[in-house]
Amino acid sequence: EDKVVQSPLSLVVHEGDTVTLNCSYEVTNFRSLLWYKQEKKAPTFLFMLTSSGIEKKSGRLSSILDKKELSSILNITATQTGDSAIYLCASGVQGAQKLVFGQGTRLTINP
Amino acid sequence: NAGVTQTPKFQVLKTGQSMTLQCAQDMNHEYMSWYRQDPGMGLRLIHYSVGAGITDQGEVPNGYNVSRSTTEDFPLRLLSAAPSQTSVYFCASSYRGPGTSGSLYEQYFGPGTRLTVT
Repeated sequence: EDKVVQSPLSLVVHEGDTVTLNCSYEVTNFRSLLWYKQEKKAPTFLFMLTSSGIEKKSGRLSSILDKKELSSILNITATQTGDSAIYLCASGVQGAQKLVFGQGTRLTINP
Repeated sequence: NAGVTQTPKFQVLKTGQSMTLQCAQDMNHEYMSWYRQDPGMGLRLIHYSVGAGITDQGEVPNGYNVSRSTTEDFPLRLLSAAPSQTSVYFCASSYRGPGTSGSLYEQYFGPGTRLTVT
C-alpha cells in the first residue's frame, strides 16, 4: 500500500525559530514529491522535487529530497506568525497518475 | 483566469439524499481530481481523470461517482449521502508531463466545499 508519513504532526515554536518538517514515503514507482501550505482554505503549492540532493529555495523556505532514505525535509528559517499553517507533502505514484498525501504537520508560530 | 472553481461552498444533506458537487477549471489542464479532507488525515484521493472521457478510482471511491465529458468540468456525485461523507471536498487540476507516465505538475486547488450529512 502506498504511504506518505509526516512528522511531527504538530509543532509550536516562537517567532524567529528555525523549523524542520519531515516527510517519508513508501510508494511504487516514485515520480515526484510535492510540498503544499494550507491556511484556512485550499492548499497552495510550495515545491516539487524529483531529483535527490538538489535543494529548492523560496525566500525563507527550502526543501530537499533524499531518494536513498525515501524522505524529504522542509526547512523554514526566521519563522513568522504568517508561517502558521498545515504543511502537506504528497508523492506521485504508479506512473504519476495520482498523488498520495501525508497527514500534514500543523505548525503554530507564537509571537 | 478564474482557475479552479467549486460550487457550492457549503451544503447540508440528510442521510440518503443525493447531490452533485461541481468543479470547473479554465486552464486547459488534462488532469483533474477530487479529494476529501478529514481532521488529522490529510487529503485522500476519491477519483481522478487524466482527460475527457477517462476516469479512475483513487483511495476512497466508495459512495462517489464521477464523469468527465469535457476538459473543463469534473463533477462529483454522491448517490446516497451518509454521515461518514461529512468532510471538506477539494477539486484540483494540473498539467501532466509527456507520455503515459509523465509526472504530475503542481496541482491547483479549488476553494473547497464543506459538506455536512445529518
